[in-house]
Amino acid sequence: NAGVTQTPKFQVLKTGQSMTLQCAQDMNHNSMYWYRQDPGMGLRLIYYSASEGTTDKGEVPNGYNVSRLNKREFSLRLESAAPSQTSVYFCASSEDNGSIYGYTFGSGTRLTVV
Amino acid sequence: EDQVTQSPEALRLQEGESSSLNCSYTVSGLRGLFWYRQDPGKGPEFLFTLYSAGEEKEKERLKATLTKKESFLHITAPKPEDSATYLCAVQAWQAGTALIFGKGTTLSVSS
Repeated sequence: NAGVTQTPKFQVLKTGQSMTLQCAQDMNHNSMYWYRQDPGMGLRLIYYSASEGTTDKGEVPNGYNVSRLNKREFSLRLESAAPSQTSVYFCASSEDNGSIYGYTFGSGTRLTVV
Repeated sequence: EDQVTQSPEALRLQEGESSSLNCSYTVSGLRGLFWYRQDPGKGPEFLFTLYSAGEEKEKERLKATLTKKESFLHITAPKPEDSATYLCAVQAWQAGTALIFGKGTTLSVSS
């Protein structure tokens, strides 16, 4: 039982390059999320998907796009990477509002944009 | 605006020295308050959810409490393995399932 799997674990991009961060969960959760974590800033919500077929903006959506491919997979795309997007990205999932068992987080993708 | 403030930013304790971490929140309609533990290089791990003022939950050496304005994470007789960053988050009724996180408290316990 893998939980939430993120790929890749590490990535270095040049400014202007594009890439997609992949996330998959095997817990049959309805809701999925993308957060970024920066020193001194805490975890900030980029986008979330309350259910298959829906996506909503979070606190810091600019520069990102998402796709809820199916119930298991939720990807995050950087169309033209900028140094300000250097961060650790976490994907998470929850059943409904996540109140009983909380969110389950992946192990993160460490992205550096040079 | 919904907001979460954690204090202190960092806390150093000796093994066995009990203490508390604070999480102050401002939210229009609290659906739940969450505590997570995060180890270096890993994703956050769920600890507790609290729903209403007066509620308490315990897990081993940790006890979380909730009032109308803040939550405390009490650590009793900590051990070095309790060293981690502890994150507090709130979920508001009008925000669906999304969580708003505080910046965390980094706890170091030395033997």
